[in-house]
Amino acid sequence: NAGVTQTPKFRVLKTGQSMTLLCAQDMNHEYMYWYRQDPGMGLRLIHYSVGEGTTAKGEVPDGYNVSRLKKQNFLLGLESAAPSQTSVYFCASSYSRHKPDLNTEAFFGQGTRLTVV
Amino acid sequence: DQQVKQNSPSLSVQEGRISILNCDYTNSMFDYFLWYKKYPAEGPTFLISISSIKDKNEDGRFTVFLNKSAKHLSLHIVPSQPGDSAVYFCAASAFGNQFYFGTGTSLTVIP
Repeated sequence: NAGVTQTPKFRVLKTGQSMTLLCAQDMNHEYMYWYRQDPGMGLRLIHYSVGEGTTAKGEVPDGYNVSRLKKQNFLLGLESAAPSQTSVYFCASSYSRHKPDLNTEAFFGQGTRLTVV
Repeated sequence: DQQVKQNSPSLSVQEGRISILNCDYTNSMFDYFLWYKKYPAEGPTFLISISSIKDKNEDGRFTVFLNKSAKHLSLHIVPSQPGDSAVYFCAASAFGNQFYFGTGTSLTVIP
């Protein structure tokens, strides 16, 4: 079982460059999330999706875009990277809370460490 | 504004003793609470959860307590083991599936 897989694991970008982080899950989860983890800030939600073709803003969406073209994939894009986006990025997925018979905790990927110089 | 707060950045406990990690929240709409454990260079892994209709949930050495009137939850680990040394995050969700996380507490269990 792969669970949640993030690509790449590490990346260094120059200010102004763009990149896309890929998240793939094989658990047939409806919901997917992108978080960033920074020292002293915990995990903050960037964007999330409640189903294929849908996206919504989280707590810190500025500077990021997302797309969910397929149920199993959730892409996070940085159009013009800034040093403030240096962080560890985590993707997660979960079942919908509308299915009470299923565990609805979020499963996380291994993270992507991004440095913007 | 942080809706889920963990006010203790770190905690040290002797092996075999009880570890108590605390979490406070501000949103009264939260109805589902979780604890995650995170080792360095890994993603968070789910530990235990509790619904707002309960005030306690146990799973082996781990027990989560919920005090809705105080908007407070705690995680008890008994007995603590060196392998429990990690960062622990509490999280909360309203019926809409966004998970809001606290800032984490780094637990060190001393052998």
